[in-house]
Amino acid sequence: DGGITQSPKYLFRKEGQNVTLSCEQNLNHDAMYWYRQDPGQGLRLIYYSQIVNDFQKGDIAEGYSVSREKKESFPLTVTSAQKNPTAFYLCASSISHGGGELFFGEGSRLTVL
Amino acid sequence: GIQVEQSPPDLILQEGANSTLRCNFSDSVNNLQWFHQNPWGQLINLFYIPSGTKQNGRLSATTVATERYSLLYISSSQTTDSGVYFCAVGVSNTGKLIFGQGTTLQVKP
Repeated sequence: DGGITQSPKYLFRKEGQNVTLSCEQNLNHDAMYWYRQDPGQGLRLIYYSQIVNDFQKGDIAEGYSVSREKKESFPLTVTSAQKNPTAFYLCASSISHGGGELFFGEGSRLTVL
Repeated sequence: GIQVEQSPPDLILQEGANSTLRCNFSDSVNNLQWFHQNPWGQLINLFYIPSGTKQNGRLSATTVATERYSLLYISSSQTTDSGVYFCAVGVSNTGKLIFGQGTTLQVKP
């Protein structure tokens, strides 16, 4: 089945450690996105990629990094510079940036101990 | 930047009741989508509706772009409709989708 797979679903991290969240899609979409959701809040855009080997900062990129070496994959690294990393992270894709429906993965819940 | 306001923030219904959720936005948009987030966090795209009216079963949506609002109608609500409903809008100069704060719906049996 076509879709977006995020892993891991749950992750615990000690302060000062970097962690990488995986996002893979088999929808043949050009655009991919990472959002952050805090309890009781809407989604905020961290990074997005319109095409392979290209990505742009979203509204809250500080303390995060991404890569887009393959069309199918858009991993997100939460670095130790991110001051408040405990959150629910959602990966999404669309056929093109700004166009068409947005499809989401099931999310990764990161807790920093 | 564009502002997105959803109302009401919370809604409690008895099973079988109808409801209307509203999304107001502050600028012209070329993209508007409605999503349902279930209690496990999964976001499902309900409608891609930058203008006009669409229906899918018990759900329908209308966007009046000239007046900068969209409505999501839920008829004969079921307990499985519970969750958070998000509206997201996009403008052509950035292509980014901006999410509202959501409407939390609880449908009681």
